[in-house]
Amino acid sequence: SAVISQKPSRDICQRGTSLTIQCQVDSQVTMMFWYRQQPGQSLTLIATANQGSEATYESGFVIDKFPISRPNLTFSTLTVSNMSPEDSSIYLCSVSGADTQYFGPGTRLTVL
Amino acid sequence: AQSVTQPDIHITVSEGASLELRCNYSYGATPYLFWYVQSPGQGLQLLLKYFSGDTLVQGIKGFEAEFKRSQSSFNLRKPSVHWSDAAEYFCAVGHGAGNMLTFGGGTRLMVKP
Repeated sequence: SAVISQKPSRDICQRGTSLTIQCQVDSQVTMMFWYRQQPGQSLTLIATANQGSEATYESGFVIDKFPISRPNLTFSTLTVSNMSPEDSSIYLCSVSGADTQYFGPGTRLTVL
Repeated sequence: AQSVTQPDIHITVSEGASLELRCNYSYGATPYLFWYVQSPGQGLQLLLKYFSGDTLVQGIKGFEAEFKRSQSSFNLRKPSVHWSDAAEYFCAVGHGAGNMLTFGGGTRLMVKP
């Protein structure tokens, strides 16, 4: 299994600002994923991040709003740009294991 | 396109009672199916998974799930619920064993004393 940490665990931000969320894994992984969980909702995939290539975004998510970095096999960042209250969510990163996905604890973002 | 439906948004059961959470999926190939649990303020924890073979799979915390291809279902069961089982439960279908997941809407379980 993989152990995943995220920073920050929570934050309260003003609209119009940006927040970068960090995801650290304790082992090298090829594929990392970023999900969003809006209040009271299920998880929606934002993008898939492979090391050495551009992230692949799902329908409804764009790079200008959610730029992603993947500098190495154990680390990734997701930036939520020009935030609005609608961006208030839990953001989770996950990694592929041999037979499943493992999730980080999430970053709870509140935008005022 | 793949999709997952959890028909029950909320379920309340008494402690010690049995539990069944429903999950139906739509997927063009052999599905990789998962159940995750999310406790308040916690991340997602994998309860169990099905890839192939025996259609009744055992998971952690006394949970089990049965894959029924004819019904496109993967229902989660537990014979006797504990108060600590109160949480949000998500069914998901995977695009391959370790690939991205499509989640159902979740079922919130409440346990009465």
